[in-house]
Amino acid sequence: NAGVTQTPKFQVLKTGQSMTLQCAQDMNHEYMSWYRQDPGMGLRLIHYSVGAGITDQGEVPNGYNVSRSTTEDFPLRLLSAAPSQTSVYFCASSPGLHYEQYFGPGTRLTVT
Amino acid sequence: GQQVMQIPQYQHVQEGEDFTTYCNSSTTLSNIQWYKQRPGGHPVFLIQLVKSGEVKKQKRLTFQFGEAKKNSSLHITATQTTDVGTYFCAGEDSGAGSYQLTFGKGTKLSVIP
Repeated sequence: NAGVTQTPKFQVLKTGQSMTLQCAQDMNHEYMSWYRQDPGMGLRLIHYSVGAGITDQGEVPNGYNVSRSTTEDFPLRLLSAAPSQTSVYFCASSPGLHYEQYFGPGTRLTVT
Repeated sequence: GQQVMQIPQYQHVQEGEDFTTYCNSSTTLSNIQWYKQRPGGHPVFLIQLVKSGEVKKQKRLTFQFGEAKKNSSLHITATQTTDVGTYFCAGEDSGAGSYQLTFGKGTKLSVIP
């Protein structure tokens, strides 16, 4: 099993550009989530999904969209990148919220 | 909204010394999880505590969940250089309809050989 995979590993965007961060898991987990990690801020929840077709907002959802058409995939879309979105993005999956979260390796995004 | 506070933010210890990080929630938690993140890596699950007053041990690591289920601690006995990293707690609010884990800001541990 590959676990949780994220692509790309690194990305540089110009302000106003859009892009999609990919996340996939092969563990048949229902719960998936996206976090951003900034220095001194810990991990902050952006969006999460409790199953295919169901998504909801986390603590910091503005500027991001998600969809969950399959159990395996949970892409995160940046609609119009801003320098404030410079961060490390982690995707995580879990059999459910009450279980351990498996994190992907992360995507380091820089917006100039 | 729910807040999870973690202290200290940084801790430098000599190898062999003990280390403790504390986690406090503004609301009662249904459970608390602990994660470790090595430099340049991703968070890795360590343990989950569910019951009031629960204590769990993993070799040199001891985890406690407070009686009121609003605080938790992680204690490492006789630190080693392999313990270097950032330790995060993450709590799930016991309120109805909550499907979110809220992470503390983490404690970054440095171990001086």
